[in-house]
Amino acid sequence: IAGITQAPTSQILAAGRRMTLRCTQDMRHNAMYWYRQDLGLGLRLIHYSNTAGTTGKGEVPDGYSVSRANTDDFPLTLASAVPSQTSVYFCASRDTSKTGELFFGEGSRLTVL
Amino acid sequence: EDKVVQSPLSLVVHEGDTVTLNCSYEVTNFRSLLWYKQEKKAPTFLFMLTSSGIEKKSGRLSSILDKKELFSILNITATQTGDSAIYLCAVTSGAGSYQLTFGKGTKLSVIP
Repeated sequence: IAGITQAPTSQILAAGRRMTLRCTQDMRHNAMYWYRQDLGLGLRLIHYSNTAGTTGKGEVPDGYSVSRANTDDFPLTLASAVPSQTSVYFCASRDTSKTGELFFGEGSRLTVL
Repeated sequence: EDKVVQSPLSLVVHEGDTVTLNCSYEVTNFRSLLWYKQEKKAPTFLFMLTSSGIEKKSGRLSSILDKKELFSILNITATQTGDSAIYLCAVTSGAGSYQLTFGKGTKLSVIP
């Protein structure tokens, strides 16, 4: 089934540990995004990528890094996790040439203790 | 800085009621406005609006955009408990339509 796959779906992590959230899409969308969703704050953009090989910072990029080596994959890395990074993380993609809708993955719930 | 404001933040109604959710925005180089419904997990797409005054409709849901006054509304008629969700508004802007800015969402609870 075409779409976006995120992994893991849920993870508990000790503070200070490194963690990579994986995101893969098979729709050949050029643009990909990482959002975090927190109660009362809505969806906030962490990083984005307009096309393979390029990335950009969103609203809340500190403590996170991304890479876009190819069209399909857009991993999000927390180099040294902190409790304030406890959140639900959504990966999304869209085909900007069609001004189309944003497709979301199912989310990754991360708890940093 | 682009800004999207949704109101109300939460709403409780009885089944059968009609509700109107609001989304206002201030963005540079507006491209489109999108509505999403989020239940347990990922947001699901409802509508994309690009032109003023043209209503989009899907069953009991409808939406319209006013580009002069910079807002959109989402109407739900004859609400059902299955309409309970967070409704998200997002705006795309910029030359390449790459940037999306989300509002904080409206949490709708429909009680029997």
